[in-house]
Amino acid sequence: GQNIDQPTEMTATEGAIVQINCTYQTSGFNGLFWYQQHAGEAPTFLSYNVLDGLEEKGRFSSFLSRSKGYSYLLLKELQMKDSASYLCAVRDRLSNNAGNMLTFGGGTRLMVKP
Amino acid sequence: EPEVTQTPSHQVTQMGQEVILRCVPISNHLYFYWYRQILGQKVEFLVSFYNNEISEKSEIFDDQFSVERPDGSNFTLKIRSTKLEDSAMYFCASKGTGGHYGYTFGSGTRLTVV
Repeated sequence: GQNIDQPTEMTATEGAIVQINCTYQTSGFNGLFWYQQHAGEAPTFLSYNVLDGLEEKGRFSSFLSRSKGYSYLLLKELQMKDSASYLCAVRDRLSNNAGNMLTFGGGTRLMVKP
Repeated sequence: EPEVTQTPSHQVTQMGQEVILRCVPISNHLYFYWYRQILGQKVEFLVSFYNNEISEKSEIFDDQFSVERPDGSNFTLKIRSTKLEDSAMYFCASKGTGGHYGYTFGSGTRLTVV
């Protein structure tokens, strides 16, 4: 089975840096994804990690440690529009490699204040 | 940028009725998924579909649910005899081959069962 934990809510100030953590315990692992979701909208892809280390993509970076079952999403130079939920999701590795569905954590609601 | 299209955006139905949610995945994608998100809760996997058959399904996806790819472009989710607890946002997603590709989510269908 899969167990994915992330904080429920975080608050940060415009222009600051925020780190959203995610820990997971999974029976199989084939990559970790971060998605952004504004209320009532679809999740949109932010980042993907399958190997240990840091992936940087503009203001967003994501880190993975497979041995620790840990990832974080780092958001720099926060803007008001970054107020959203951030979803950590793990892709399982199935024996037939055909499904590869994502299992999502509960999401972290980030509120950016002026 | 290619999109996953879902229709309708909102659906209100009476308890016990059948609904069909429609999705047009990205044209060169091969893997298709349905997820749902009950208001305030996490995104949950329902079913994955590949090579014209279900490749994985969750315990939520019982006999009440079915999926179909009736032609080369549409991917549908049918919910028979809807219950109040089926009220949720239903997201379709599609995925290309390799790496992090795909998992592009549609904008969702908000289903309300009354």
